[in-house]
Amino acid sequence: KQEVTQIPAALSVPEGENLVLNCSFTDSAIYNLQWFRQDPGKGLTSLLLIQSSQREQTSGRLNASLDKSSGRSTLYIAASQPGDSATYLCAVMGTGGFKTIFGAGTRLFVKA
Amino acid sequence: DAGVIQSPRHEVTEMGQEVTLRCKPISGHDYLFWYRQTMMRGLELLIYFNNNVPIDDSGMPEDRFSAKMPNASFSTLKIQPSEPRDSAVYFCASSLKYWAGLETQYFGPGTRLLVL
Repeated sequence: KQEVTQIPAALSVPEGENLVLNCSFTDSAIYNLQWFRQDPGKGLTSLLLIQSSQREQTSGRLNASLDKSSGRSTLYIAASQPGDSATYLCAVMGTGGFKTIFGAGTRLFVKA
Repeated sequence: DAGVIQSPRHEVTEMGQEVTLRCKPISGHDYLFWYRQTMMRGLELLIYFNNNVPIDDSGMPEDRFSAKMPNASFSTLKIQPSEPRDSAVYFCASSLKYWAGLETQYFGPGTRLLVL
């Protein structure tokens, strides 16, 4: 059974700092790994999707990497801003049953 | 497109009452998902449909939960009878080409359910 773990659970950083969020998963048989952002009281917004054959994806100040063999992914946020404050969730889509399993998220607070 | 639309946004009901949550997916999307989010269990997949057909309902917690998709533009999640432990945020999401792993899921704003 696929399990997705995110570390740390919460993170507080000063504005301008570069930061890394971590995600690990137990079953490497995946179609893709995604990073989502969730603002308080809102739905989820997809940030980056990495297919199983890819190693990384970039969008603006965000860069996500995938190491399928070790069951790990990182989300790198460059030059953090207060507007980046949100919960970031990692999700993997398994090849068995096509289910997407979500981690518990990392709650990020960027101080101005 | 307006995105995934869910109604109601908030629902407060008493234990034992029937609750119906509604979802309109993005036009043209052939996959629809129902998720439940709680502090204790995080985001859990309840059921998903492909072309209006339920594919996997193994996440539906009990027989009190049922979901239907009568057409490509509408789905319901029903809880009957509701219990306090059903209190959660229920999200609907839709996707195109989900099976290929190429496309993300687009989430609605959620329905916040409180069962007293």
